[in-house]
Amino acid sequence: DAKTTQPPSMDCAEGRAANLPCNHSTISGNEYVYWYRQIHSQGPQYIIHGLKNNETNEMASLIITEDRKSSTLILPHATLRDTAVYYCIVFDKLIFGTGTRLQVFP
Amino acid sequence: SAVISQKPSRDICQRGTSLTIQCQVDSQVTMMFWYRQQPGQSLTLIATANQGSEATYESGFVIDKFPISRPNLTFSTLTVSNMSPEDSSIYLCSVPLSSPGLGWADTQYFGPGTRLTVL
Repeated sequence: DAKTTQPPSMDCAEGRAANLPCNHSTISGNEYVYWYRQIHSQGPQYIIHGLKNNETNEMASLIITEDRKSSTLILPHATLRDTAVYYCIVFDKLIFGTGTRLQVFP
Repeated sequence: SAVISQKPSRDICQRGTSLTIQCQVDSQVTMMFWYRQQPGQSLTLIATANQGSEATYESGFVIDKFPISRPNLTFSTLTVSNMSPEDSSIYLCSVPLSSPGLGWADTQYFGPGTRLTVL
């Protein structure tokens, strides 16, 4: 079973920041938080992952709470091409939950 | 990153037949994973395929229905046997690769998927 909870859908205006939350209250000390996204008809694409520190790369930022029970993926300037299903995964095996369908609108 | 290819990219098959899906990776990897994504659904892990050993299947998936081969470190096949319309899905393979700078954590890369339709 997936160890994460995400809202089923979110909307975001183009150019604005998209903040996608994820709850993982049962996470254990050595489990990483991963984020993937799946654009329609493509395989999942890795975005970012982290353990307890906040992380940033060219695609996004990952903010993990101090107790590690939740995290937020931030797309700083969403574009129409960021419309996808975003999956938050606590890595044991890569078990996908239902994800958040992000719709970016003009 | 890794380059992962799958064959076929799509197929339409008759009920009761079998289809073998190939996954090729451009680097040697110990573990490969097979997923299924039914229409409108999230991904479901079918099995983990380690080179040199039997595949490990997740709950609800059995070797007779989804036999897996792993003849070397860059290749794997998944067969969907005795197909029914309920097997219509996208089947994806994936491999974990080490992420430098983040300890032992692996980044998992996915193939483009095989879209299977069973009539």
